[in-house]
Amino acid sequence: EAQVTQNPRYLITVTGKKLTVTCSQNMNHEYMSWYRQDPGLGLRQIYYSMNVEVTDKGDVPEGYKVSRKEKRNFPLILESPSPNQTSLYFCASSPGVGGVYEQYFGPGTRLTVT
Amino acid sequence: GENVEQHPSTLSVQEGDSAVIKCTYSDSASNYFPWYKQELGKGPQLIIDIRSNVGEKKDQRIAVTLNKTAKHFSLHITETQPEDSAVYFCAAWSGGYQKVTFGIGTKLQVIP
Repeated sequence: EAQVTQNPRYLITVTGKKLTVTCSQNMNHEYMSWYRQDPGLGLRQIYYSMNVEVTDKGDVPEGYKVSRKEKRNFPLILESPSPNQTSLYFCASSPGVGGVYEQYFGPGTRLTVT
Repeated sequence: GENVEQHPSTLSVQEGDSAVIKCTYSDSASNYFPWYKQELGKGPQLIIDIRSNVGEKKDQRIAVTLNKTAKHFSLHITETQPEDSAVYFCAAWSGGYQKVTFGIGTKLQVIP
């Protein structure tokens, strides 16, 4: 089944404790992206990647890191989480080539930072 | 950067009526405009999209219109059904299909 998976689905952590949220897709997509969703603000793009080893900042990259060492994986790293990073996070992937840009979203990761 | 405004934030309609959600964008270079439906506890799912060289697109009860000159696009749902109840997001792609900016979402309630 074609899908985007995220782990963990739920995470409660404390300020300053480094964490990684994993994202993996099995559709051989070139493009991957991370978003955070907050009430009243919709989805905001954190980082995106056009291909392996190619990443760029979205609208809200502060406090986050990403890497794209393999085509299928695009982990989101919070080196020193803070309470304002409490949010619902979504990973998405898209073919990104041939004029096909339909995004497929993962199920989301609900992060709480205390 | 791109700015996308979406209206209304909430919308209630009677079953069978039509629903219209409107979005405006600021970057004239934006060239791809998808609409997503998000059900409770799930990730957004693409329902329809339109490119900048097309003025209208339909898929059964759903249609999207784009006015490039005015920089706005709209989602039209006809013959609404209770299962259409969800949050709908518009989005605009810019930077050569790289950056994506979403609207804040519209919570649609279809009343049986």
